Amino acid sequence: QQQVKQSPQSLIVQKGGISIINCAYENTAFDYFPWYQQFPGKGPALLIAIRPDVSEKKEGRFTISFNKSAKQFSLHIMDSQPGDSATYFCAASMTGRRALTFGSGTRLQVQP
Amino acid sequence: DGGITQSPKYLFRKEGQNVTLSCEQNLNHDAMYWYRQDPGQGLRLIYYSQIVNDFQKGDIAEGYSVSREKKESFPLTVTSAQKNPTAFYLCASSRAGGGTDTQYFGPGTRLTVL
Repeated sequence: QQQVKQSPQSLIVQKGGISIINCAYENTAFDYFPWYQQFPGKGPALLIAIRPDVSEKKEGRFTISFNKSAKQFSLHIMDSQPGDSATYFCAASMTGRRALTFGSGTRLQVQP
Repeated sequence: DGGITQSPKYLFRKEGQNVTLSCEQNLNHDAMYWYRQDPGQGLRLIYYSQIVNDFQKGDIAEGYSVSREKKESFPLTVTSAQKNPTAFYLCASSRAGGGTDTQYFGPGTRLTVL
């Protein structure tokens, strides 16, 4: 019930392309869905987050799409750049709960 | 500079030894967390604390211990009871507990058992 499943495990995209990472969850009580970006040897940093009252949120080149009925959400990176090469984690939580439940991560490589 | 510091960056331990990982924050956050990261896996919660002098076990607390004597500090001790301690350890903090406040992460400590 607490698991968040993330795919793909790794992704290679050409510069300028669109990177898409998908996550699915089971617990319908989740009401907060952040994405974190992690560079090698560093701690994760919040990239963008969404709550289930909206179906899409966009910040610059990064967009979260949220499908409440399917219990799925995805990260889209438009015009992907080599500097976007990192590991991306989706996560989920609920109001009043202790902490985030993370997906297993996607290693993105953007080729120049 | 506001943020979270973890020390040391790299730590080597012999089997049977306890080691303590430091985590300090100057963000005036009430909640602090410890996560473990293994290759190909997401972050797994070890312990969390929502206020000083109070903490709760996470999903993988066995073989670990923590203390929260000060608001800004949340050290993690990896004991000899932890069967597979080699991992990357991440400390985080948030303004309040509850899971929906933004969590800010430190740079991590990589622990290797020799």
